[in-house]
Amino acid sequence: EDQVTQSPEALRLQEGESSSLNCSYTVSGLRGLFWYRQDPGKGPEFLFTLYSAGEEKEKERLKATLTKKESFLHITAPKPEDSATYLCAVQANGGKLIFGQGTELSVKP
Amino acid sequence: DADVTQTPRNRITKTGKRIMLECSQTKGHDRMYWYRQDPGLGLQLIYYSFDVKDINKGEISDGYSVSRQAQAKFSLSLESAIPNQTALYFCATSPGQGHTGELFFGEGSRLTVL
Repeated sequence: EDQVTQSPEALRLQEGESSSLNCSYTVSGLRGLFWYRQDPGKGPEFLFTLYSAGEEKEKERLKATLTKKESFLHITAPKPEDSATYLCAVQANGGKLIFGQGTELSVKP
Repeated sequence: DADVTQTPRNRITKTGKRIMLECSQTKGHDRMYWYRQDPGLGLQLIYYSFDVKDINKGEISDGYSVSRQAQAKFSLSLESAIPNQTALYFCATSPGQGHTGELFFGEGSRLTVL
């Protein structure tokens, strides 16, 4: 069964304290892995697409990496404005998009 | 103005009532989707449409129906609402051909069924 699991469910960091969010997946053929950011009361906002193991994408303090079984979203020197829920989604063969349950990140000043 | 607009943003209704959630987009995308989000669960696909004449069921379509009135408009209906349909509903669009994971979401419609 195709499955996407994100960990941890919640993460609290101090401003400047770097860390990583994990997205583990089991799918029958990976077509793409996608990261989204969701602010409270808002819809998810697309961040990155990764297609193959070894690929990396960066945007400001965020860097997404991909292996054959998981993806990491690395946050370097986070700021309070990085606080949000981060969603991972995997697209399997056949086109089905499977979302993880999200990691709620809180960055305190 | 938002590229993907959902109305209403919040709605409280009673069991058995008919509810319609509307979505309009100015992005010019052909593909539109309706998702449901529940606390602790991932987004679940209800229905999707690749063009005006195309309607497809997602993984949780039971109890829901949709209408694609135009390229820019995609509405979701609950014919007879029940309490376990209380959730946050999102409309999304995407460009290009076939399925893609790069979606543009509206701000959501929070529905409470009493």
